[in-house]
Amino acid sequence: ETGVTQTPRHLVMGMTNKKSLKCEQHLGHNAMYWYKQSAKKPLELMFVYNFKEQTENNSVPSRFSPECPNSSHLFLHLHTLQPEDSALYLCASSQGDSNTGELFFGEGSRLTVL
Amino acid sequence: GQNIDQPTEMTATEGAIVQINCTYQTSGFNGLFWYQQHAGEAPTFLSYNVLDGLEEKGRFSSFLSRSKGYSYLLLKELQMKDSASYLCAGMDSNYQLIWGAGTKLIIKP
Repeated sequence: ETGVTQTPRHLVMGMTNKKSLKCEQHLGHNAMYWYKQSAKKPLELMFVYNFKEQTENNSVPSRFSPECPNSSHLFLHLHTLQPEDSALYLCASSQGDSNTGELFFGEGSRLTVL
Repeated sequence: GQNIDQPTEMTATEGAIVQINCTYQTSGFNGLFWYQQHAGEAPTFLSYNVLDGLEEKGRFSSFLSRSKGYSYLLLKELQMKDSASYLCAGMDSNYQLIWGAGTKLIIKP
């Protein structure tokens, strides 16, 4: 138990579907992140939020839309995805400024796009 | 460009010692992280080195040489539960984490 909870753990969707991934952290951290993890590839940082404000958007396609309503919750809205978007999506949180200090990860949402 | 290199897979025997190497090229340097990730689970923090030398934490130790752009994770008295992927990540001058692809460690009885 890392204090970061992600739902759903598994998701299968068609290319025309709309779905959302949810992340909640119970650690009192003020920074939250979305990462994409594909097999045998480095973690790819997608989005960073500090105190609910987006501070990083690493050229992510607009079919991925993040939302951070408060410092404990983070969503990733998905629409018209492509099969190459199939991956494990990891949420993480940290104390302090973005990308400093130890990251606490959730167990991820395994996404399959058909 | 920025890059982290680590072996894709390693195999070791229960009770033995294994060293997982990582070389990094980053724009500036603010430390080197190691994370452990069991299959289907969250990556968890193992160590952070920002100064040269060896940091020991129980059966796990992490070493850093900034002049060589090199780090290693040393695991002693290997246990079956140490079978996992080990992720190396360097932090650049903008405090961005640059990740390696991970080393899958297989422990055999």
